[in-house]
Amino acid sequence: RKEVEQDPGPFNVPEGATVAFNCTYSNSASQSFFWYRQDCRKEPKLLMSVYSSGNEDGRFTAQLNRASQYISLLIRDSKLSDSATYLCVVTGAPDSSYKLIFGSGTRLLVRP
Amino acid sequence: EAQVTQNPRYLITVTGKKLTVTCSQNMNHEYMSWYRQDPGLGLRQIYYSMNVEVTDKGDVPEGYKVSRKEKRNFPLILESPSPNQTSLYFCASSSPLLAGAQEQYFGPGTRLTVT
Repeated sequence: RKEVEQDPGPFNVPEGATVAFNCTYSNSASQSFFWYRQDCRKEPKLLMSVYSSGNEDGRFTAQLNRASQYISLLIRDSKLSDSATYLCVVTGAPDSSYKLIFGSGTRLLVRP
Repeated sequence: EAQVTQNPRYLITVTGKKLTVTCSQNMNHEYMSWYRQDPGLGLRQIYYSMNVEVTDKGDVPEGYKVSRKEKRNFPLILESPSPNQTSLYFCASSSPLLAGAQEQYFGPGTRLTVT
């Protein structure tokens, strides 16, 4: 079983749609959680951190469910520019909190 | 401008010919790391460094070497490349404390093909 699992997609949605991605992780001791965005053949960039209480940044909302070990990302009012691959990222156990473990990504295509 | 640079960006080489991919950051970050990205497998950590002269293996270190003689540079060395090392490579850096909890800044990537 992969340490971080994501549905690869692609999710093909029209502009203005709301889309949600989920991600599950296997290590219950993971401490920090992130969503990164990666455009085609480019480097990953941090989209947002994920906090236990949930957090929102504009059209993006991230939530963490520690009991079920999953993380979600909700994108409202999708824009064409949101088309990218979204990477779910968790850190290792407390003694390796510097280590980032990446999911293989969920691809989003927003169509006009 | 704060950035991580990698060179070369693209490289085609032959099996067994030693090569080095350079990585440099100008943000005074202590933590640096190398990843490879392959379809369906996501990014996997090759090696990381917590500081100058401190390096350690990641998940897929076989066939790679690194060194950290200066804070800003973290080269990746393939002593005898093989076709299974064909991949997209990323270098990343982040601030020293709670490195895992901080944003990692990635270089633009190096696409390596070994024939």
